[in-house]
Amino acid sequence: AAGVIQSPRHLIKEKRETATLKCYPIPRHDTVYWYQQGPGQDPQFLISFYEKMQSDKGSIPDRFSAQQFSDYHSELNMSSLELGDSALYFCASSLPSRPLVFGQGTRLTVV
Amino acid sequence: AQSVTQLGSHVSVSEGALVLLRCNYSSSVPPYLFWYVQYPNQGLQLLLKYTTGATLVKGINGFEAEFKKSETSFHLTKPSAHMSDAAEYFCAVSRGNTPLVFGKGTRLSVIA
Repeated sequence: AAGVIQSPRHLIKEKRETATLKCYPIPRHDTVYWYQQGPGQDPQFLISFYEKMQSDKGSIPDRFSAQQFSDYHSELNMSSLELGDSALYFCASSLPSRPLVFGQGTRLTVV
Repeated sequence: AQSVTQLGSHVSVSEGALVLLRCNYSSSVPPYLFWYVQYPNQGLQLLLKYTTGATLVKGINGFEAEFKKSETSFHLTKPSAHMSDAAEYFCAVSRGNTPLVFGKGTRLSVIA
């Protein structure tokens, strides 16, 4: 069965650089979520989209932005990267009122 | 607001012993409750969920959990631990289409 695809799997950036993470949801899933998981931490909700519109916003820094495109894939754009942004970034997709299915995550390291 | 509290950041059991991971929730409305498992450097995999109906839910890999409204709990159990069960376990709560809110996680170690 198709899963949630995230790319890249690993990314190394320097401070103050920008990064773009991509997420391809399961076909026909109309909702996409982004989570950030710091080292040894629980996943923290960043932002979600339903039918290409932002549906919920969590603890997403102003330096970050995201969008969902017409083909339902989503991108998380991160600017002015800081050391503290180093984390695993998960994308998840779902159908309404159905459990989230998570991707394998993108490990971002800021040096 | 919804939240979950996982009691014990690290639980260690012997192979073949009972696994019990504790989760208590706080929700102003009837919650949807989930357990996810995360293996090292992997994504989060759904173990089981409770939405409505039967309060004892069975999941994958022999795990089950019971929703107890009177105790606001959703503890995860497995009768006999296997080495492959060693992982991080997260309890999570949501309500319908609201984003999942995760607990801090419990690391399960299984000793041979």
